Amino acid sequence: GAGVSQSPSNKVTEKGKDVELRCDPISGHTALYWYRQSLGQGLEFLIYFQGNSAPDKSGLPSDRFSAERTGGSVSTLTIQRTQQEDSAVYLCASSLGTSGSVKYFGPGTRLTVT
Amino acid sequence: GQQLNQSPQSMFIQEGEDVSMNCTSSSIFNTWLWYKQDPGEGPVLLIALYKAGELTSNGRLTAQFGITRKDSFLNISASIPSDVGIYFCAGRPVGQGGSEKLVFGKGTKLTVNP
Repeated sequence: GAGVSQSPSNKVTEKGKDVELRCDPISGHTALYWYRQSLGQGLEFLIYFQGNSAPDKSGLPSDRFSAERTGGSVSTLTIQRTQQEDSAVYLCASSLGTSGSVKYFGPGTRLTVT
Repeated sequence: GQQLNQSPQSMFIQEGEDVSMNCTSSSIFNTWLWYKQDPGEGPVLLIALYKAGELTSNGRLTAQFGITRKDSFLNISASIPSDVGIYFCAGRPVGQGGSEKLVFGKGTKLTVNP
């Protein structure tokens, strides 16, 4: 596709369940980023992939959060044993991966933990 | 960690007025970006700045990378109703070991009254 796509667009889950969020980057983009946006807040960095490796995962809030990327393309963000404070919009972005290259964002996945 | 202070938090203006918003930090940045986010969408890049002192325009938008590398502003001239949205500044801090992660401000919510 022409842009970054994310699925699902909305996810409602019960506290304690695991969730998987998917990101399809722009074709040819080697770098992929996950951010979290809580209501009325700016974007909080979670993790960044260059190819299949994650040089910077400093933003993952706890060991319940993990992410992987396979084939240098699709990425999955997994949240285990979800908590209510995990409710947010999870945004994915991709870029060419060169220094300072523009990051293009997807529409996000709105996660609600009840 | 690095933080960006974005102001104002919100603005209510009349159509045709000019708008100015800014971001400051105590840290040095080597890239400044301005994004606009509409409800239910991911942020869309408006302007990217890569050099201290750089002044760049994109239509009615003008942004500058501060000389100290610790601040940036965005101006919108002759505002129109479709300028409504949340504007975010973002920066790539110096000294993060080559990581391409961006730090975001908390956003300026712009309302334009016709």
